[in-house]
Amino acid sequence: GDSVTQMEGPVTLSEEAFLTINCTYTATGYPSLFWYVQYPGEGLQLLLKATKADDKGSNKGFEATYRKETTSFHLEKGSVQVSDSAVYFCALSDGSSNTGKLIFGQGTTLQVKP
Amino acid sequence: DAGVIQSPRHEVTEMGQEVTLRCKPISGHDYLFWYRQTMMRGLELLIYFNNNVPIDDSGMPEDRFSAKMPNASFSTLKIQPSEPRDSAVYFCASSHRLDRTQPQHFGDGTRLSIL
Repeated sequence: GDSVTQMEGPVTLSEEAFLTINCTYTATGYPSLFWYVQYPGEGLQLLLKATKADDKGSNKGFEATYRKETTSFHLEKGSVQVSDSAVYFCALSDGSSNTGKLIFGQGTTLQVKP
Repeated sequence: DAGVIQSPRHEVTEMGQEVTLRCKPISGHDYLFWYRQTMMRGLELLIYFNNNVPIDDSGMPEDRFSAKMPNASFSTLKIQPSEPRDSAVYFCASSHRLDRTQPQHFGDGTRLSIL
């Protein structure tokens, strides 16, 4: 079945460092891909999305490109801030049946130190 | 617009007690989801509704769990009797329509501890 694999965390960076969180997926059909962020004590918030191959999603300085050839959707940010410390989830929507059910990766914790 | 509202935010109860978690979806959203988050298993979809009707409950762990949606603005997830292994954060999410391009909007969750 469909699945999402994220790099294991925690990822620890200094402020203003470059961030990459890897995400690869296995899916049939034409899934959409999402990155959600979860701040401590809160629910998941949509960070960005891409609905077809070669689309780039971007928000708040984060971006990710839907790469069908490598089945990847890596999250990047050029300069992280302490406030970016959170858990990041990669997810895909069920592309074969168009039900919109989300399949999540296991989450990657990002810690940014001043 | 108000987001998805869950209550209570925290619940601590003793094993064997009935637990009821509540959710108010975003107005106008036709789909409602219940998830469970644990360190061991990550985020798991338990059940989802469309127009108040349960569509897929294959993720509900066992008969002790039940969910209802009596109207478009309210849903409950009930555990009876509760067990320590049910301790987790339970999230409710809603979506305007269910197609592959639509994101889901999450509440802040209920942190459940069963002693």
